Amino acid sequence: DQQVKQNSPSLSVQEGRISILNCDYTNSMFDYFLWYKKYPAEGPTFLISISSIKDKNEDGRFTVFLNKSAKHLSLHIVPSQPGDSAVYFCAARVDNYGQNFVFGPGTRLSVLP
Amino acid sequence: ETGVTQTPRHLVMGMTNKKSLKCEQHLGHNAMYWYKQSAKKPLELMFVYSLEERVENNSVPSRFSPECPNSSHLFLHLHTLQPEDSALYLCASSLGRGPSTNEKLFFGSGTQLSVL
Repeated sequence: DQQVKQNSPSLSVQEGRISILNCDYTNSMFDYFLWYKKYPAEGPTFLISISSIKDKNEDGRFTVFLNKSAKHLSLHIVPSQPGDSAVYFCAARVDNYGQNFVFGPGTRLSVLP
Repeated sequence: ETGVTQTPRHLVMGMTNKKSLKCEQHLGHNAMYWYKQSAKKPLELMFVYSLEERVENNSVPSRFSPECPNSSHLFLHLHTLQPEDSALYLCASSLGRGPSTNEKLFFGSGTQLSVL
């Protein structure tokens, strides 16, 4: 049973428009969430994170929104660029030992020129 | 130079072979991880080491044997693997400062393993 779900396996967006990637989770004990980006033949790289005490965190073109009551978070990329084309993973952590991260299956984003 | 280095990048092995994956981190971190990524599945946590002690073993079969000789190096020893073990094996590290700290994982590029 997946605790972190990304129900859209893929998403295509036109360059310059907004990309919205969604993530849902089931474990109410998750207290910290992260987004990672992965290019082919490379390991995932950290993009942005949010603590459960916040509902929004912004870093340049990337904004993560957290809705705790709905157990839902989203990553907004605006404006989208062709270099953003990658697989995006949502991850969550249970604050037990501080080191157990659970990942979603990923969403493949394609930004079309 | 990337902060987390994994070798080899690709590995093909038979079911009777013994091989090892190597990971080295140059970030001064205290925690190191092995993750497995199978096709179309989420990253699965296999092992966590903190200050060279194994703190997490996520019900991994004994044909996978981790070793952490120091906080900078992590190995995954493989023996008598099955074809379904073919996957991308990712090493990661984090500061490892303990609970209630908002850390992030730094990943290596992974080893793409094929078991024939």
